[in-house]
Amino acid sequence: NAGVMQNPRHLVRRRGQEARLRCSPMKGHSHVYWYRQLPEEGLKFMVYLQKENIIDESGMPKERFSAEFPKEGPSILRIQQVVRGDSAAYFCASSPFAEAFFGQGTRLTVV
Amino acid sequence: DQQVKQNSPSLSVQEGRISILNCDYTNSMFDYFLWYKKYPAEGPTFLISISSIKDKNEDGRFTVFLNKSAKHLSLHIVPSQPGDSAVYFCAAIGTSGSRLTFGEGTQLTVNP
Repeated sequence: NAGVMQNPRHLVRRRGQEARLRCSPMKGHSHVYWYRQLPEEGLKFMVYLQKENIIDESGMPKERFSAEFPKEGPSILRIQQVVRGDSAAYFCASSPFAEAFFGQGTRLTVV
Repeated sequence: DQQVKQNSPSLSVQEGRISILNCDYTNSMFDYFLWYKKYPAEGPTFLISISSIKDKNEDGRFTVFLNKSAKHLSLHIVPSQPGDSAVYFCAAIGTSGSRLTFGEGTQLTVNP
């Protein structure tokens, strides 16, 4: 049973471009979380999704950020018109209910 | 509103001694608690958990204690090893439908 797969591991975008981060949950897991870790800071919750539903998006910035977890395929975190402040490590976790298992993260660098 | 708090950003311990990491929570609806360990440039890895019906859970060198009346949990690592040096996050979850909530993390350094 493969773990949570995130890709790409590293992503470089110029200011104003779009960033798409993918997360394939563990087999059988129907819950996905996205977290962001800024330099020198802890894990900040962004969004919690079930298949085809957003359960809690209280941590998502109101603009430019969106997330989806379609019936088929990976969960996608999309950041439009990236700015330097979006540079961070983005972690996805999947969960059957309580324990969440994390991917290795995507390190986004905006230049 | 920080519902899960780790008040010590860092802890330094000698190899072989006990490491005690603390975590407080405010939401009385939390009924399941977890500890994660994170190395730089890696995702957090699940370490140990405890249900609110228990007050202690042990797994090898790791023991988690839960004091529900004080809304406090702690992770004990004994004996501590240099490879235990990492950031430790506590997390909590409540009834079905709620999300996992993390503390800010504590950087543990175990000195040889």
